[in-house]
Amino acid sequence: AQSVTQLGSHVSVSEGALVLLRCNYSSSVPPYLFWYVQYPNQGLQLLLKYTTGATLVKGINGFEAEFKKSETSFHLTKPSAHMSDAAEYFCAVSLGFQKLVFGTGTRLLVSP
Amino acid sequence: NAGVMQNPRHLVRRRGQEARLRCSPMKGHSHVYWYRQLPEEGLKFMVYLQKENIIDESGMPKERFSAEFPKEGPSILRIQQVVRGDSAAYFCASSPGSTETNEKLFFGSGTQLSVL
Repeated sequence: AQSVTQLGSHVSVSEGALVLLRCNYSSSVPPYLFWYVQYPNQGLQLLLKYTTGATLVKGINGFEAEFKKSETSFHLTKPSAHMSDAAEYFCAVSLGFQKLVFGTGTRLLVSP
Repeated sequence: NAGVMQNPRHLVRRRGQEARLRCSPMKGHSHVYWYRQLPEEGLKFMVYLQKENIIDESGMPKERFSAEFPKEGPSILRIQQVVRGDSAAYFCASSPGSTETNEKLFFGSGTQLSVL
């Protein structure tokens, strides 16, 4: 069965600093991996996804993630945090159909 | 272009009452999915529906929970005789059709159910 672990329920960074949100997955077959973001009072939005091909995936708002099979990781990064990045971020794994398995989420706090 | 609409945003019920959660998919979307997020846990898949059909309900509790997506109107997630353990955020998502990679999956803002 697939599962996702997000390390750190809260991550705090200063504006302009590097953002690193960690995600490790467990899957018996090559997974599809996703990062979603949830802004306050809004639904989840897809940030980026990995299916096949290039392991470095670029998403919206300057975020990117790298699929590392050897480490079973799919960490989300952004070189320079902006105040508007403050939100909850969810990593998810799927075998390719509609049943996504989500992590517990990481709340990103950005201070001036 | 309205997104996935869920109502109510917050629902309070006493133990034993019924809860009805509504989800209107995005215009043109014929597939609806329900997820539940219990406190301190990730979202968990519950059920996948197309118009008038339940495609996959492997994540639905065996009792008290049901879902429908009629030909006309929103999808309804119904919880009978609610218990405190049903308190959670319930998210609906929709897509235009069967997609292998979920890239067209759009989520609503969720309904927070609180059972007193």
